[in-house]
Amino acid sequence: GAVVSQHPSWVICKSGTSVKIECRSLDFQATTMFWYRQFPKQSLMLMATSNEGSKATYEQGVEKDKFLINHASLTLSTLTVTSAHPEDSSFYICSAPKGQIMNTEAFFGQGTRLTVV
Amino acid sequence: DQQVKQNSPSLSVQEGRISILNCDYTNSMFDYFLWYKKYPAEGPTFLISISSIKDKNEDGRFTVFLNKSAKHLSLHIVPSQPGDSAVYFCAASFSGSARQLTFGSGTQLTVLP
Repeated sequence: GAVVSQHPSWVICKSGTSVKIECRSLDFQATTMFWYRQFPKQSLMLMATSNEGSKATYEQGVEKDKFLINHASLTLSTLTVTSAHPEDSSFYICSAPKGQIMNTEAFFGQGTRLTVV
Repeated sequence: DQQVKQNSPSLSVQEGRISILNCDYTNSMFDYFLWYKKYPAEGPTFLISISSIKDKNEDGRFTVFLNKSAKHLSLHIVPSQPGDSAVYFCAASFSGSARQLTFGSGTQLTVLP
């Protein structure tokens, strides 16, 4: 199956610093990637849609200046959590749908556990 | 407002028996439904999907049933195995959504040996 790789798997950072999370599609090109956030024992909440070559689309309530998304190539999207605070501690997951048809399963990265201290 | 709901946070089943996980949705625009399996600290793994033009899709031990009039879908796993123990998420999308997925809150399945 298709592989989506996310790095790092976990990161601990100090409050006020920025953290970059990478999401790569290893064996296919993805013009679109999605970033999700999961709080403990809750569902995956879509944060934003990353579009290659254009601006990301953010879901309501997600601060675009805090969660910077860059989709620089057809295989890489990055999420940067700027000026991180303890409330940003969460599990962040990216996904990329393979293929051009509208209904297709998305492949997920392994997730990044962010802890802000 | 949760558009995709999984009302059972947990389910325990004996090995070899059938596991039935349920999911309800409210948005009638959804036309594609998926089930994902997730282990702690890992990303979800795709299991099976179904288009709204069908009412059943089967893949090995996994079968998904869709009842559009009731806005309900279910995942049947038979026979259940201890390795099936994980959190199962149902997800939905619609054709105009650029393949964004709306997830339910998940059901923790425990298969007892």
